[in-house]
Amino acid sequence: DVKVTQSSRYLVKRTGEKVFLECVQDMDHENMFWYRQDPGLGLRLIYFSYDVKMKEKGDIPEGYSVSREKKERFSLILESASTNQTSMYLCASSLSTGMNTEAFFGQGTRLTVV
Amino acid sequence: AQSVTQLDSHVSVSEGTPVLLRCNYSSSYSPSLFWYVQHPNKGLQLLLKYTSAATLVKGINGFEAEFKKSETSFHLTKPSAHMSDAAEYFCVVTLRYGGATNKLIFGTGTLLAVQP
Repeated sequence: DVKVTQSSRYLVKRTGEKVFLECVQDMDHENMFWYRQDPGLGLRLIYFSYDVKMKEKGDIPEGYSVSREKKERFSLILESASTNQTSMYLCASSLSTGMNTEAFFGQGTRLTVV
Repeated sequence: AQSVTQLDSHVSVSEGTPVLLRCNYSSSYSPSLFWYVQHPNKGLQLLLKYTSAATLVKGINGFEAEFKKSETSFHLTKPSAHMSDAAEYFCVVTLRYGGATNKLIFGTGTLLAVQP
């Protein structure tokens, strides 16, 4: 089974802190994604990566950055956390084999910024 | 542009009755469509996917969905709801980005409640 592991289930951080969310997948997938999930808004794409050291902005990249130094690991960085970044963050991975490829998701990290 | 609209934010059914969760899509090319389910405090799990091989797609846990191009719909159904079906359901369309990389575009979700 594909496994996507997010390092923390729950995090509480203070406003202005630099926050790192880590994600690791064990299936050698090329693509990795970071989404945030908010009630009534579904999942919105923050950033994605299709190869090591490659990254592309999603729909809501402001206030975030990412790092992909190794194929299996994709990190989301909140440069200076703000209360409006309180949310559930979901990491996903997929193969680059065409349109029908499904994505596999981690359990999510619920981040609270106080 | 590709997008999906889930027509109901909340659906409530009684155990043993049929489930219908509605999804309409917009796509400039032949789409790939998915339904994912998220149980409370869990990650997202794939229920089923449409890959143009067949318009009626069967998924896990007795769910199925029918692709109707003329109606641009991909509604999710189940003949008989079970208490364990209570969860949030997301309709998803794929957007191609560059080479073979795909982005998943999510609907806003439908929360299914199952009453005893």
